[in-house]
Amino acid sequence: DVVMTQSPLFLPVTLGQPASISCRSSQSLVYSDGNTYLNWFQQRPGQSPRRLIYKVSNRDSGVPDRFSGSGSGTGFTLKISRVEAEDVGVYYCMQGTHWPTFGQGTRLEIK
Amino acid sequence: QVQLVESGGGLVKPGGSLRLSCAASGFTFSDYYMSWIRQAPGKGLEWVSYISTSSSYTNYADSVKGRFTISRDDAKNSLYLQMNSLRAEDTAVYYCARRGELSPDFWGQGTLVTVSS
Repeated sequence: DVVMTQSPLFLPVTLGQPASISCRSSQSLVYSDGNTYLNWFQQRPGQSPRRLIYKVSNRDSGVPDRFSGSGSGTGFTLKISRVEAEDVGVYYCMQGTHWPTFGQGTRLEIK
Repeated sequence: QVQLVESGGGLVKPGGSLRLSCAASGFTFSDYYMSWIRQAPGKGLEWVSYISTSSSYTNYADSVKGRFTISRDDAKNSLYLQMNSLRAEDTAVYYCARRGELSPDFWGQGTLVTVSS
């Protein structure tokens, strides 16, 4: 299976400051159709996961534009331009190019 | 709006069986692949299984292959997961999810399965 490695695993951030999470895959995530199926999910405390970003950089409907995704091949990044209190939770990257696998999760907390 | 509601979780002894259900609404169920994803208490996410449209293709994580069976009833807008020979390590919240762009775009609230004697 493709291993997804996130860093950092714990991310304390001051309100209003930017945050960045890295995700690396053990294999290329470019699919045979030319797309890269790398996604980002947010799981707030006590809630189900919610998809934020699909195919590297596409925001899902209703996702604030302070969230952005980038990357290619085997290296990807989720950025939050200005962290708000509602952003607290665990963030997962996930690849759908091969048998689906998730990263370990990054816990974002407010300093 | 899209809604996915899981049911059927509970406490079961090792070696026992359980059948999970997921009722879908707010979209054309038959047009979408569907998935089961689980999360052990305090742990990360693990894809369990997915099923194609028309039930023509299914796939499973190695950890559940041969013990779990995914199925769907498009007439009832429902997804199922039959779980046999349950083990302690199967203890988790099980989420039903719709697959869009090769990833889960909508998730249910989850149902807890506890395997313990």
